[in-house]
Amino acid sequence: DIVMTQSPDSLAVSLGERATINCKSSQSLLYSSNNKNYLAWYQQKPGQPPKLLIYWASTRESGVPDRFSGSGSGTDFTLTISSLQAEDVAVYYCQQYFFTPLTFGPGTKVDI
Amino acid sequence: EVQLVESGGGLVQPGGSLRLSCAASGFTFSSHWMHWVRQAPGKGLVWVSRIYGDGSSPTYADSVKGRFTISRDNARNTLYLQMNSLGAEDTALYYCTRGSTAAGNLGDYWGQGTLVTVSS
Repeated sequence: DIVMTQSPDSLAVSLGERATINCKSSQSLLYSSNNKNYLAWYQQKPGQPPKLLIYWASTRESGVPDRFSGSGSGTDFTLTISSLQAEDVAVYYCQQYFFTPLTFGPGTKVDI
Repeated sequence: EVQLVESGGGLVQPGGSLRLSCAASGFTFSSHWMHWVRQAPGKGLVWVSRIYGDGSSPTYADSVKGRFTISRDNARNTLYLQMNSLGAEDTALYYCTRGSTAAGNLGDYWGQGTLVTVSS
């Protein structure tokens, strides 16, 4: 199984400041046939289901504010919130969707 | 508007069974892979099972293989999860998710979840 790790476990960022979350996979998520990384980022607010933010490591889902961006390739990925807003307080998960079993990182809690 | 509404959760004794349902609307159900993902209280997300749009190739996490069965009724736009031999470790909020057209294993819409509690 592909193991996903995230760092840090939690972080507190001032409003308007940058938040950076790292995700590492135990195997490469880059598929050479299409040059795509099978890595997604989800946001989960308290009492709500996860919401898809980013897929293919860097493609923003429709309607997601452009302060959210994803980068990375292979085994190392990053989610960046360029200017943290109050509504961004949540737990963020990375997920690999390359192989079953699909696996998620343990989550990173972002607070103000 | 895409909607996924789970139901069927509840309190069940260890060793018991439960069938979860997920009613889908707002999209062509049969065109999408569907998944179940669970989240134990205060814990992270764990993928449980997947089924193709035509109902073929059910796939399971090792932790539920042989105990859980995923199925779907495309005429009723409904996804199911039959859960047998339940244990305390199965206590969780169970979400159904739609596989994206971009990639079938990518969950682009999630329901609100249905809570399963296994306890005597």
